[in-house]
Amino acid sequence: DAGVIQSPRHEVTEMGQEVTLRCKPISGHDYLFWYRQTMMRGLELLIYFNNNVPIDDSGMPEDRFSAKMPNASFSTLKIQPSEPRDSAVYFCASRLSSGRIEQFFGPGTRLTVL
Amino acid sequence: DAKTTQPPSMDCAEGRAANLPCNHSTISGNEYVYWYRQIHSQGPQYIIHGLKNNETNEMASLIITEDRKSSTLILPHATLRDTAVYYCIVRVDGSGGGADGLTFGKGTHLIIQP
Repeated sequence: DAGVIQSPRHEVTEMGQEVTLRCKPISGHDYLFWYRQTMMRGLELLIYFNNNVPIDDSGMPEDRFSAKMPNASFSTLKIQPSEPRDSAVYFCASRLSSGRIEQFFGPGTRLTVL
Repeated sequence: DAKTTQPPSMDCAEGRAANLPCNHSTISGNEYVYWYRQIHSQGPQYIIHGLKNNETNEMASLIITEDRKSSTLILPHATLRDTAVYYCIVRVDGSGGGADGLTFGKGTHLIIQP
């Protein structure tokens, strides 16, 4: 299996622009998570889905952030408009609801907002 | 989830056993101890987890004290590739037993010296 796939790996954009991060979970996994990592705040959970349905979005910073999961093999995290304080590494992770319960993380997307 | 305390950094000589402590004095009876690590510029990686018995897998061993208030992750023969930040996380079993996101603290930066 290719593992969790994220794209792009690096994104540089200007303040005010829309940014879309993409994630393909491991095939068959029914949970998908979005995390953000910064030096100041460490790793934070933003939102997670179960069977494509958002379960907990309490970690989403504000209305500028939105996440969707239109099907079991694809999710997006959108920031509109982006701000310099959104600069961070964004990780996507997936797991199964039964059997092995660890989360498998993708390589992350490094976002820089100028 | 119960709070954990870990030393911010540790050194270990290559080839020796690395013992990483974690204090979780407020752990509840249904909470597991999980360990993840994050190698520089990569996503976190699951290592091991346990409830009250000691556990061993191909990566590491987990020793949990009888009162479950602390635990130790043991890497039996550390290599340079084990240099990473190690996170101890205490949480209810994620297999449908409660909130599924992971709460990461600051972790221990383990540096393996040649």
